[in-house]
Amino acid sequence: QKEVEQNSGPLSVPEGAIASLNCTYSDRGSQSFFWYRQYSGKSPELIMSIYSNGDKEDGRFTAQLNKASQYVSLLIRDSQPSDSATYLCAVNEGFQKLVFGTGTRLLVSP
Amino acid sequence: DGGITQSPKYLFRKEGQNVTLSCEQNLNHDAMYWYRQDPGQGLRLIYYSQIVNDFQKGDIAEGYSVSREKKESFPLTVTSAQKNPTAFYLCASSPREGSTDTQYFGPGTRLTVL
Repeated sequence: QKEVEQNSGPLSVPEGAIASLNCTYSDRGSQSFFWYRQYSGKSPELIMSIYSNGDKEDGRFTAQLNKASQYVSLLIRDSQPSDSATYLCAVNEGFQKLVFGTGTRLLVSP
Repeated sequence: DGGITQSPKYLFRKEGQNVTLSCEQNLNHDAMYWYRQDPGQGLRLIYYSQIVNDFQKGDIAEGYSVSREKKESFPLTVTSAQKNPTAFYLCASSPREGSTDTQYFGPGTRLTVL
């Protein structure tokens, strides 16, 4: 069974700080990686996708991928209280199927 | 507006009943998925379909059934054989063409067994 591991948290950061969320995966052959944000009681919302080693930036969000070490991370700069949510890491396992981690809960305090 | 709709938002089921959850998309996506989410847990794949009239079991298909008669629709039936159906059910879709395998989610249906 292919696995995606995330620290459940909560990760607490003050407003304006950088939040760093990490994810490791077991399948060395995975090619596609995704970060979703899920507010309490709501469905997951796609934040970022990343396919190549290195960094990908979109506004305050930066996804980082290191295939050799089998980890993917999400940095949130200038964290806001509205960023408080659970962040799900998902990894493609082939045949357009994704494996999801259990999520990291982020709390941004004003 | 293009998107994925799920209905109902909340559903209550008595033990021994079958219930059907609706999922419709107008994104022209080929692939559709059903996930289950329990409190504090990640998403677990129930069934998925990559093309009309074809679908495959996911990791936890027992007690569930699906159909894919139209590209836009992928209903999920929770049967009485599912012993612990109380959960948050999420439908997703993905464009099969091209290089993307990104999945987009509907708003979800929260099922409670009374």
